[in-house]
Amino acid sequence: QKEVEQNSGPLSVPEGAIASLNCTYSDRVSQSFFWYRQYSGKSPELIMSIYSNGDKEDGRFTAQLNKASQYVSLLIRDSQPSDSATYLCAVNFSYNTDKLIFGTGTRLQVFP
Amino acid sequence: DAGITQSPRHKVTETGTPVTLRCHQTENHRYMYWYRQDPGHGLRLIHYSYGVKDTDKGEVSDGYSVSRSKTEDFLLTLESATSSQTSVYFCAISEQGPTNEKLFFGSGTQLSVL
Repeated sequence: QKEVEQNSGPLSVPEGAIASLNCTYSDRVSQSFFWYRQYSGKSPELIMSIYSNGDKEDGRFTAQLNKASQYVSLLIRDSQPSDSATYLCAVNFSYNTDKLIFGTGTRLQVFP
Repeated sequence: DAGITQSPRHKVTETGTPVTLRCHQTENHRYMYWYRQDPGHGLRLIHYSYGVKDTDKGEVSDGYSVSRSKTEDFLLTLESATSSQTSVYFCAISEQGPTNEKLFFGSGTQLSVL
């Protein structure tokens, strides 16, 4: 089992819809969770971080964390074609605090 | 953009040759990282540094070495390149470590080993 798992996609949603991206992880006591966005041919950039159970909202983005079920999700409201990218989930595991483990990413396509 | 420069941006080399990739930062951040990104594997940590001359291994360190003689520079060396090391290499920096602060990534180096 991979430590951080994501569906590779592509996830296709129409413009204006809500895109829901999911990530599961293997360590129940992990502390820090991150979502990075990576446009094709570019480097990753951080869009959300979350550390406690529940929802965290930032503009059109909402991160949701459920430590009991070991998943973290990213919701993108009012999706735009400019949101088309690969979204990487990253987890800082409790047993390895100096390192982030990345998932393979989910490719999101938003069509007009 | 964070002040991170990777060089070269692209490199083609032959199997068995040594290769050095350079990461230079102007942010004076303590932590520096080297990742590789491959289809189906995502980003994987090769080596990282938590200070001058302080380095440690990541998930996929075999065949790679690093050095950090100055805060601003972090070098990744492939002593004898193999085709399996064909990849996109990203350098990243952070001030306090990855637990509660963002990583800033460089633009990447596309390395092809023929």
